[in-house]
Amino acid sequence: DIVMTQTPLSLSVTPGQPASISCKSSQSLLHSDGKTYLYWYLQKPGQPPQLLTYEDSNRFSGVPDRFSGSGSGTDFTLKISRVEAEDVGVYYCMQSKQLPLTFGGGTKVEIK
Amino acid sequence: QVQLVQSGAEVKKPGASVKVSCKASGYTFTSYDVNWVRQATGQGLEWMGWMTPNSGNTGYAQKFQGRVTMTRNISISTAYMELSSLRSEDTAVYYCAAMTTGTWGQGTQVTVSS
Repeated sequence: DIVMTQTPLSLSVTPGQPASISCKSSQSLLHSDGKTYLYWYLQKPGQPPQLLTYEDSNRFSGVPDRFSGSGSGTDFTLKISRVEAEDVGVYYCMQSKQLPLTFGGGTKVEIK
Repeated sequence: QVQLVQSGAEVKKPGASVKVSCKASGYTFTSYDVNWVRQATGQGLEWMGWMTPNSGNTGYAQKFQGRVTMTRNISISTAYMELSSLRSEDTAVYYCAAMTTGTWGQGTQVTVSS
């Protein structure tokens, strides 16, 4: 199975400041079709996860442009350019290059 | 809009089975795989398996092999996940998701308690 490791475990951010979350995979997520199967989700309290980015760096429909995904191979980053109060929750990375789908352990983002 | 609506909360005794439904609307049900993911209270996300609604083909995480069955009824655009031989560690919120569309169900709380 591909192991997904997220850091940090938690983050406390001042509104308007940037934030960054790292995700490392135990194997390359670059598929032979040329796509990188790395996804970022945000789970707000009491809600299901919501998709932020897909296939490494593509922002999902309706997601604010302050969210951006980057990386390649085994190292990936989600950046929030200016954190807002509504961004609190737990962020997860997920790989779908091979079964079983696996998730990172999550990064809890709080507002200072 | 694209939506997945799940069945309500369940309380089961150890050893029993539970069947959770997931009704799709706003898109062609047979167009996208349905995945099932669970989350114990305060814990992370755990993938259980997938089903292709068109063919009924399934794939399950090794951890759940032999205990989970994923099925569908195309006529009512509904996917099902049945988990048997329940134990207390199966207490969790169960989600269905059409991941390609970014759509998740609202979650179904399953509590296993004697």
